[in-house]
Amino acid sequence: ETGVTQSPTHLIKTRGQQVTLRCSSQSGHNTVSWYQQALGQGPQFIFQYYREEENGRGNFPPRFSGPQFPNYSSELNVNALELDDSALYLCASSLTSGDSYEQYFGPGTRLTVT
Amino acid sequence: ELKVEQNPLFLSMQEGKNYTIYCNYSTTSDRLYWYRQDPGKSLESLFVLLSNGAVKQEGRLMASLDTKARLSTLHITAAVHDLSATYFCAVDDTTSGTYKYIFGTGTRLKVLA
Repeated sequence: ETGVTQSPTHLIKTRGQQVTLRCSSQSGHNTVSWYQQALGQGPQFIFQYYREEENGRGNFPPRFSGPQFPNYSSELNVNALELDDSALYLCASSLTSGDSYEQYFGPGTRLTVT
Repeated sequence: ELKVEQNPLFLSMQEGKNYTIYCNYSTTSDRLYWYRQDPGKSLESLFVLLSNGAVKQEGRLMASLDTKARLSTLHITAAVHDLSATYFCAVDDTTSGTYKYIFGTGTRLKVLA
């Protein structure tokens, strides 16, 4: 069973640019969630996709967007990067079914905006 | 909005000592998770607590959940240096129909030799 993978590991971008982060869900999972973790803080929920549809969003502006693909992999696109977007971005996959809600986290992508 | 608070935020302890980290949350939830995070790394799952009164132990760590008090504890027994890390609790927030985690502020643990 393959776990959650993310790419790239590290990324450096300039303010105003756009970035795409990628996540491959664990086999059999139909839900993917993205979290932002700024330095010294706990992860903050960005949004969630369930079967390719957005299923909830945290307090993040529309310039943070998906999608989720038919194979349940996902991308996080961030437009018009700001310095405060520098953070560790974590992808988590889960199987939304009955009482099974546990999320499994990937290794993360460290984004630095200069 | 669901809030999750941990205390202490920072904990420096001697090897061999015992201590408890507390996680309080503000609304009803039956599921709570504990994670460990090493600097620059992702989250490592420690415990999944799925019901009131749940208690789980792994090595020198033991976690418990009291859903009526909205409180979970992570107890460290006879700490060793390898336990130095940041510990997060997270609560399932299903109130909006989205099964998202709300994380606590984290407890940065340093075990001194």
